[in-house]
Amino acid sequence: KAGVTQTPRYLIKTRGQQVTLSCSPISGHRSVSWYQQTPGQGLQFLFEYFSETQRNKGNFPGRFSGRQFSNSRSEMNVSTLELGDSALYLCASSFRTTGTDTQYFGPGTRLTVL
Amino acid sequence: SQQGEEDPQALSIQEGENATMNCSYKTSINNLQWYRQNSGRGLVHLILIRSNEREKHSGRLRVTLDTSKKSSSLLITASRAADTASYFCATLGNTPLVFGKGTRLSVIA
Repeated sequence: KAGVTQTPRYLIKTRGQQVTLSCSPISGHRSVSWYQQTPGQGLQFLFEYFSETQRNKGNFPGRFSGRQFSNSRSEMNVSTLELGDSALYLCASSFRTTGTDTQYFGPGTRLTVL
Repeated sequence: SQQGEEDPQALSIQEGENATMNCSYKTSINNLQWYRQNSGRGLVHLILIRSNEREKHSGRLRVTLDTSKKSSSLLITASRAADTASYFCATLGNTPLVFGKGTRLSVIA
């Protein structure tokens, strides 16, 4: 069974631009969560989607948004990029909601904002 | 804010030695999970221990959980150079997974 895939793997953007990251979960998994990892703040939860509905949201500004499609694939969007948005963005999937199941992570998208 | 806090922040050992990492957390949990991350890549799930379990084994890994002390430990026995990575504990309660900042383990051949 294929693992979680994320595209693109690397991105370089400039301040003020917007970016869309994509995540394809493991086949059969309906929950997708997104995390931001930075050296200073560590791993921080962004949001979770289950069956196309946002179930939980972390403490991030409204510039960060996401969605999930009927095939469970998910995208996250960051608008008006700031230097501090430079991070590794990780996506994780699980069969049920994060409240019960192990989450399986993708390799991440490394975003650099110049 | 981070829930799990790993200790130590960094650990350096010789190949063949055992490595022990500790994790403390603040609120009640459903389960606690340990993950490994190699050099800025994705996280690999190692082991999950439920709140009603006290100890769990998986290969060279042994995890303990003490809910009264709100702490967990991960023991890697007979370490190998390939175990060099960052190790994170993550707690799962009424909120999604909350990670600590991790322990950086270096295994020297």
